Amino acid sequence: DAKTTQPPSMDCAEGRAANLPCNHSTISGNEYVYWYRQIHSQGPQYIIHGLKNNETNEMASLIITEDRKSSTLILPHATLRDTAVYYCIVSRAAGDMRFGAGTRLTVKP
Amino acid sequence: SAVISQKPSRDICQRGTSLTIQCQVDSQVTMMFWYRQQPGQSLTLIATANQGSEATYESGFVIDKFPISRPNLTFSTLTVSNMSPEDSSIYLCSVVGDRGKAFFGQGTRLTVV
Repeated sequence: DAKTTQPPSMDCAEGRAANLPCNHSTISGNEYVYWYRQIHSQGPQYIIHGLKNNETNEMASLIITEDRKSSTLILPHATLRDTAVYYCIVSRAAGDMRFGAGTRLTVKP
Repeated sequence: SAVISQKPSRDICQRGTSLTIQCQVDSQVTMMFWYRQQPGQSLTLIATANQGSEATYESGFVIDKFPISRPNLTFSTLTVSNMSPEDSSIYLCSVVGDRGKAFFGQGTRLTVV
């Protein structure tokens, strides 16, 4: 079973920030938080990952709470092309991915 | 980043037959992973394939049904054997690249009729 809980769907207005929450209350000390997304009919795409510090890259920011039991993926300026299913995964290693149901993000004009 | 090529991209197969899916990576990798994505569902890990050893299968998946080969550090195959309509899914391979990122192929869309 997946070790994360995400809302099944979210909407966001184009140009606004999309904030996708994830609960992972049973995360272990050596487990990372990974975010991937899957645009329709494509393979999953890496977005970002982190252990306990907040992370930022060219795609997104990852905010992890101090107790590490939850995190938020932030897409700062969502575009229509960001419409996808977003998966939050906790894992010790990048290869051993256990995907949950994810959040279907719809960016609307 | 790693570039992964999967072949075929899609296929329609008769029940009872087998299909071998190929996964080619543009760099040498230690581990390759095979996933299944059933219609409307999330991805499920089938097995981990290391070069030079037997693949490790997840619960619910067996070698007789999904034999895997890993002849070298850039290539792997997954065979879906004795197919039934329930095997209709997207099958994806994945590798871990630098800095802990996993990369996925575009998948093989299999329809069993």
